[in-house]
Amino acid sequence: GAGVSQSPRYKVAKRGQDVALRCDPISGHVSLFWYQQALGQGPEFLTYFQNEAQLDKSGLPSDRFFAERPEGSVSTLKIQRTQQEDSAVYLCASSGPRGGNTEAFFGQGTRLTVV
Amino acid sequence: KNQVEQSPQSLIILEGKNCTLQCNYTVSPFSNLRWYKQDTGRGPVSLTIMTFSENTKSNGRYTATLDADTKQSSLHITASQLSDSASYICVVSGGGTASKLTFGTGTRLQVTL
Repeated sequence: GAGVSQSPRYKVAKRGQDVALRCDPISGHVSLFWYQQALGQGPEFLTYFQNEAQLDKSGLPSDRFFAERPEGSVSTLKIQRTQQEDSAVYLCASSGPRGGNTEAFFGQGTRLTVV
Repeated sequence: KNQVEQSPQSLIILEGKNCTLQCNYTVSPFSNLRWYKQDTGRGPVSLTIMTFSENTKSNGRYTATLDADTKQSSLHITASQLSDSASYICVVSGGGTASKLTFGTGTRLQVTL
C-alpha cells in the first residue's frame, strides 16, 4: 500500500483479555518499529525489527507484550492479559533499507482502551 | 539516560504570526534529529531530518536549526496557519542504536483567528 496501515483503529478490551494489533508497513521497508503513546505524551519505543529479526525489544514493558514479524513484512503486537495501564495508542512505523538516517513513516495507530 | 525535552509544553498564537519551538537532548552518540507534526488522532508526519553536519533545514514555512555542540534544536514556523495547529515532536536517533528513536513529549500548538 501507499502508507503504513494499522488495524484495528480502535480496540476496547476487558481487563485480562488478550489482544493482537496488526501493522502493514510500506512495501519493501526493511525496518519496522512499534511505539506506545499514552494520552498527552510522546511515543515511547517498544521494539524494532530489521526484516524478520527482532533486533531490539528493550522497550517492551513486560513479558505480557510480544511482537513478531515472521516473514519480514506484516508485524503483530500481542498483549496478553491486558491491564488498564496498557490503554494507549500503539503506533507502528517503517523505514527503508538505509538505516537510521531515512525517514520513518508512521501509521495512524491503534487506540487500545482496557476497561 | 537518553532524553529529549521540549518547550514550551503548549503555545497559542494568532494566525499569521511566527513562533519558535525548542528542543534539548541528551542522546549520545547522536545520529540525527527529526521534527514531526502530529495531528490529533493521527500518526506523526516527518517535517525535517538533520544529521550532525547540518545546522539548518527548511520545509516550506518550517525551518529547523541544530546546534550539535549544545545539543539544541529549534523549529521556526513562519506566517502560521490554522492548519498548523498540532503537536510538534522532536525526535532524536542514536544512543548507541541508530534505529531507535527517542521522542520528546511534544509542544501542543494552537493557531487561532
